[in-house]
Amino acid sequence: EPEVTQTPSHQVTQMGQEVILRCVPISNHLYFYWYRQILGQKVEFLVSFYNNEISEKSEIFDDQFSVERPDGSNFTLKIRSTKLEDSAMYFCASSALSGIQPQHFGDGTRLSIL
Amino acid sequence: KNEVEQSPQNLTAQEGEFITINCSYSVGISALHWLQQHPGGGIVSLFMLSSGKKKHGRLIATINIQEKHSSLHITASHPRDSAVYICAVMIDGNKLVFGAGTILRVKS
Repeated sequence: EPEVTQTPSHQVTQMGQEVILRCVPISNHLYFYWYRQILGQKVEFLVSFYNNEISEKSEIFDDQFSVERPDGSNFTLKIRSTKLEDSAMYFCASSALSGIQPQHFGDGTRLSIL
Repeated sequence: KNEVEQSPQNLTAQEGEFITINCSYSVGISALHWLQQHPGGGIVSLFMLSSGKKKHGRLIATINIQEKHSSLHITASHPRDSAVYICAVMIDGNKLVFGAGTILRVKS
């Protein structure tokens, strides 16, 4: 069964450094999402992406964050200057059609900011 | 105010027991998801519902749109069902809003 893959599984970065989290969505999916889960807290929506542009973003998704689909397969989340509070599990998801199709999640990238 | 409320927060059951996890939401939704998260952190989609009832193996999910309530049932529970079960609602067709999750432990 096709799946969403995320790399790396664990990223350790110094505060202030840029980090790029990578995702390969399921190949025929059109809608892409990033979520984050701070340890011990609920999963939170960050951003949705369709047709090469952001469809919706949350208050968390400030100017330090950006998303890109640089080619036909990858979907990336960049954090420009990381802060301690960015430490979390970041999940990528994709769906064939927004709202009426299930979202398929990757296994997540655990981001640790030192 | 939380838009998605789950109960109970923690649930311990004996193997074989029938389990129910509840989810209430306060906003208009286009769909509701039940998700499973294992200790390693990965999230698996179990069901997506917009009305009625769905069944997959020992799992059953129901939703009452008028009452803004959904339930996830597990029949003949097994230790391998131990996980966090998360209710999430789709708002505006574009983003999921998550509940805090129910930590389920099934003892043998």
